[in-house]
Amino acid sequence: DAGITQSPRYKITETGRQVTLMCHQTWSHSYMFWYRQDLGHGLRLIYYSAAADITDKGEVPDGYVVSRSKTENFPLTLESATRSQTSVYFCASSETSAGTEAFFGQGTRLTVV
Amino acid sequence: QQQVKQSPQSLIVQKGGISIINCAYENTAFDYFPWYQQFPGKGPALLIAIRPDVSEKKEGRFTISFNKSAKQFSLHIMDSQPGDSATYFCASNKARNNRKLIWGLGTSLAVNP
Repeated sequence: DAGITQSPRYKITETGRQVTLMCHQTWSHSYMFWYRQDLGHGLRLIYYSAAADITDKGEVPDGYVVSRSKTENFPLTLESATRSQTSVYFCASSETSAGTEAFFGQGTRLTVV
Repeated sequence: QQQVKQSPQSLIVQKGGISIINCAYENTAFDYFPWYQQFPGKGPALLIAIRPDVSEKKEGRFTISFNKSAKQFSLHIMDSQPGDSATYFCASNKARNNRKLIWGLGTSLAVNP
């Protein structure tokens, strides 16, 4: 099915562990984004990618790493999880940078204990 | 950090009433103003968007009003229905720089039956 999918939907991890959130889109959109959503903060951009092998920092990149070896995949890695990274993470994609619609995944609820 | 200020934070409306959510932006160069709708447990989805060459855009019961001189835009939901209960986000950016959408903090709308 066409769309953008995130996995896992829910994840509990311990402080200090590395965890990777997956994002896959089937549209071959050039742009992909990672956001975190926290109460009172709305959506905050972590990282984005304009194409395969091109990534750049967003508003809150510290503690996160991304890669984009293939156009359709954009994994987000928390190198050493902290409790402050407990959040709902959304991946999104869009066709171009020219003010086009961004399509969001269902989100991953991550809890760091 | 350029901002998009969204109000109110929460809104309760009776079925059949009009819901109005407002946003103010700072950068006069912005030329793309989308509204996203998010249901619990789901990712945001584009509801309606406007560019500053028009003052109003209507899609069904949803209308964006745009005031360029005041740097404000608003979402009006006519004949509000319980199914409209969701969180609404405004955003703003230069159309050619979609990767840097600036988001409002969201408005939680509850429509009472």
